[in-house]
Amino acid sequence: GAVVSQHPSRVICKSGTSVKIECRSLDFQATTMFWYRQFPKQSLMLMATSNEGSKATYEQGVEKDKFLINHASLTLSTLTVTSAHPEDSSFYICSAAPMGGGAADTQYFGPGTRLTVL
Amino acid sequence: KQEVTQIPAALSVPEGENLVLNCSFTDSAIYNLQWFRQDPGKGLTSLLLIQSSQREQTSGRLNASLDKSSGRSTLYIAASQPGDSATYLCAVRPGSNYQLIWGAGTKLIIKP
Repeated sequence: GAVVSQHPSRVICKSGTSVKIECRSLDFQATTMFWYRQFPKQSLMLMATSNEGSKATYEQGVEKDKFLINHASLTLSTLTVTSAHPEDSSFYICSAAPMGGGAADTQYFGPGTRLTVL
Repeated sequence: KQEVTQIPAALSVPEGENLVLNCSFTDSAIYNLQWFRQDPGKGLTSLLLIQSSQREQTSGRLNASLDKSSGRSTLYIAASQPGDSATYLCAVRPGSNYQLIWGAGTKLIIKP
């Protein structure tokens, strides 16, 4: 089956530092990847849609200069939280849509990254 | 604008009971609807995906139905087990561009 990995699974950092989260599709190519954040006891909130080789499309209210997204290849997208602050602490989840749709014609989700900013 | 609502927000039932989780959406023009499971602090596991043209999908003890005209989907869990305890999320895909509209989820607790 299609597998998406995220690294790291958990990160703790000091306020003001930048943190990079990687999202990889392990056994398929993904032209489109999505980044979500999830606050405790809430549903997923789409942050941005990332297409390989082009700039990411950010949802309203998401600061593109704070959450830098790079989708440099068909199997890797990165989310960099710049100058992180405690309010950025959250659970970040990525997903990937297979190129050509794939048999299941759906997004595949990574296991998530827990970011804690002190 | 498509909105997805899940009721109840939380549900606690004894082991062995059959139960139904509800999902409603405001715009019947959907591409597909998907049910996910999320364990605490974990990512998402896709349970069932129902295409727009389908009425239901089954996987083991799970059955999901779709009624587009009324804007409703249900997830039926038969013979519930403590391992079914998790948050269940419903997501609607409005069109062909893979974006999903999410419900807030139902937190399910199965008591041994």
